[in-house]
Amino acid sequence: DIQVTQSPSSLSASVGDKVTITCRASQVISTYMNWYQQKPGRAPKLLIYGAYRLQSGVPARFSGSGSGTDFILTISSLQPEDFAVYYCQQSFSALTFGGGTKVEIK
Amino acid sequence: ELQLEQSGAEVTKPGESLRISCKGSGYNFSNYWITWVRQMPGKGLEWMGKTDPSDSYTNYSPSFQGRVTISSDKSSSTAYLEWSSLKASDTAIYYCARLNQALVHAVDYWGQGTLVTVSS
Repeated sequence: DIQVTQSPSSLSASVGDKVTITCRASQVISTYMNWYQQKPGRAPKLLIYGAYRLQSGVPARFSGSGSGTDFILTISSLQPEDFAVYYCQQSFSALTFGGGTKVEIK
Repeated sequence: ELQLEQSGAEVTKPGESLRISCKGSGYNFSNYWITWVRQMPGKGLEWMGKTDPSDSYTNYSPSFQGRVTISSDKSSSTAYLEWSSLKASDTAIYYCARLNQALVHAVDYWGQGTLVTVSS
């Protein structure tokens, strides 16, 4: 099975900050990495698929990069509505989620 | 409008059986895999398995193989998640979701979640 290690598990940031979250897969997965946002009491929402492709309707301040085993989700300028938990997920072989990153207000 | 409508919250006892459902609408249900994801209280997302409604083929995470049964019925556009003997540790929110092959198998639509509470 492919394991996915996400870091950090939590971070504190201010509105307007640039935020980066990383995921590392236990083996090469090409660009089969997806990113989701989950707010309390809600189902997750797809932000990025295929490592860097922005899902329709998602603001351009969200971006993804990486290939192989190392991937990054970047929020270029954090907005109040971005405080949430973020998950990466590999879809190269079956599916595996990262452990999540909680983005909190500093 | 595309929707995945899940069945309502359940409160059950250890050892009981349970089946929850997920009905798709607004798209061709047979053309997309349905996956199930567990979220235990205050915890992260765990992939349980997936089913192809076109032929009912099912694939499980090793962590859930033998513990649950995933199935689908294309005639009613409904997928199911079933337990034969629940444990207290099965208490969680269970999401069904649609896998989109065109989006490198990302999940593009989610159900609203079904809360399952197992308590004596």
